[in-house]
Amino acid sequence: TQLLEQSPQFLSIQEGENLTVYCNSSSVFSSLQWYRQEPGEGPVLLVTVVTGGEVKKLKRLTFQFGDARKDSSLHITAAQPGDTGLYLCAGVSRSGGGADGLTFGKGTHLIIQP
Amino acid sequence: DAGVIQSPRHEVTEMGQEVTLRCKPISGHNSLFWYRQTMMRGLELLIYFNNNVPIDDSGMPEDRFSAKMPNASFSTLKIQPSEPRDSAVYFCASSLVMGTGLYEQYFGPGTRLTVT
Repeated sequence: TQLLEQSPQFLSIQEGENLTVYCNSSSVFSSLQWYRQEPGEGPVLLVTVVTGGEVKKLKRLTFQFGDARKDSSLHITAAQPGDTGLYLCAGVSRSGGGADGLTFGKGTHLIIQP
Repeated sequence: DAGVIQSPRHEVTEMGQEVTLRCKPISGHNSLFWYRQTMMRGLELLIYFNNNVPIDDSGMPEDRFSAKMPNASFSTLKIQPSEPRDSAVYFCASSLVMGTGLYEQYFGPGTRLTVT
């Protein structure tokens, strides 16, 4: 079983601060996805990273895939209350053809206080 | 687009009763996934279908759980008999899976199940 460990599990910071959350595994993934989940809703995809070392930016969010494709990070600059939510990373194992269910980490619960 | 539709949104039942959760995937998607989410274990894949055929059910906890997909627009997850430890939020997700192996899963709003 491939496991994804996310840290920290909980994070509460003030509006305007920067933060980084991590997603680590001992396994190699063909791609990795980050989702955000708000209370009472299902996860929503933010980004997919595919290439080792890849960096993607989504406004104030910066996602990086590790060179070995075993880990990833999400950095938020100048956090806002609207960033509050559960951030989940999910690994895709299969590199081509067919479908595999995603392997999810347990997530980071992020609270941005005004 | 209506997105993935799940029903009911909330279900409260007594131990031993049968529970049926329903999912309508996004039209045109060829893969459907059932997940269970708890605080302790996070989001766990239970089973997924590709073109209505179950591909991997290794995540189904035990024989009390069963899932069907009779056609491309409908799937059910049944628990019989239900137990308190089955209490969780159950999510259905659908995807259009192409040959590249890259795909986005669209999640429904979930069904919150409470077994007393």
